[in-house]
Amino acid sequence: GAGVSQSPSNKVTEKGKDVELRCDPISGHTALYWYRQRLGQGLEFLIYFQGNSAPDKSGLPSDRFSAERTGESVSTLTIQRTQQEDSAVYLCASSPRTGDNSPLHFGNGTRLTVT
Amino acid sequence: AQSVAQPEDQVNVAEGNPLTVKCTYSVSGNPYLFWYVQYPNRGLQFLLKYITGDNLVKGSYGFEAEFNKSQTSFHLKKPSALVSDSALYFCAVRGVNTGGFKTIFGAGTRLFVKA
Repeated sequence: GAGVSQSPSNKVTEKGKDVELRCDPISGHTALYWYRQRLGQGLEFLIYFQGNSAPDKSGLPSDRFSAERTGESVSTLTIQRTQQEDSAVYLCASSPRTGDNSPLHFGNGTRLTVT
Repeated sequence: AQSVAQPEDQVNVAEGNPLTVKCTYSVSGNPYLFWYVQYPNRGLQFLLKYITGDNLVKGSYGFEAEFNKSQTSFHLKKPSALVSDSALYFCAVRGVNTGGFKTIFGAGTRLFVKA
């Protein structure tokens, strides 16, 4: 079946512009996660959704970052007034539900470059 | 708070030799533990997980990992390394009924297998 789909795969934007990153999770997966991976570094937790609600937003780096999910499906991560330090690969993952032992299914990520 | 430590940035091993990639964790209560692999220009793939029971778990591609509660470790192992095992490996932890169900990743260990 279809895996986690992220778009765009690559995004180049100018400093100060807003960007939207999209994630389509596996159908039926109620849990959805966003991570950031800077070049040569590990995965940094940003936010997760259970259904359409976000119980934990603690990883969002600043108020320029926001995320929403609708219809227990698609999620959008928005970065306002982008800065060069926002350049990274943004990874989305889904799992059947939070709180269980299912592994995360990752998309291929969106590579964001802020010039 | 949950945390994961992968003390080695890089591990070098000759093909055919055994390999170990180290991971230690900190979590309140019992953990779910995972290993993921990231090949170049590809998304993260699930390798194996520890939930409960037998401390030695087996996963994909001949990998296994040993859970040690007293040392809070979950080292990844393989008896005989292949060149194709060269990749970036991530250890991850999720607290059972703690930590808000988010999965925390280590910084990653790059494995180089030399022919």
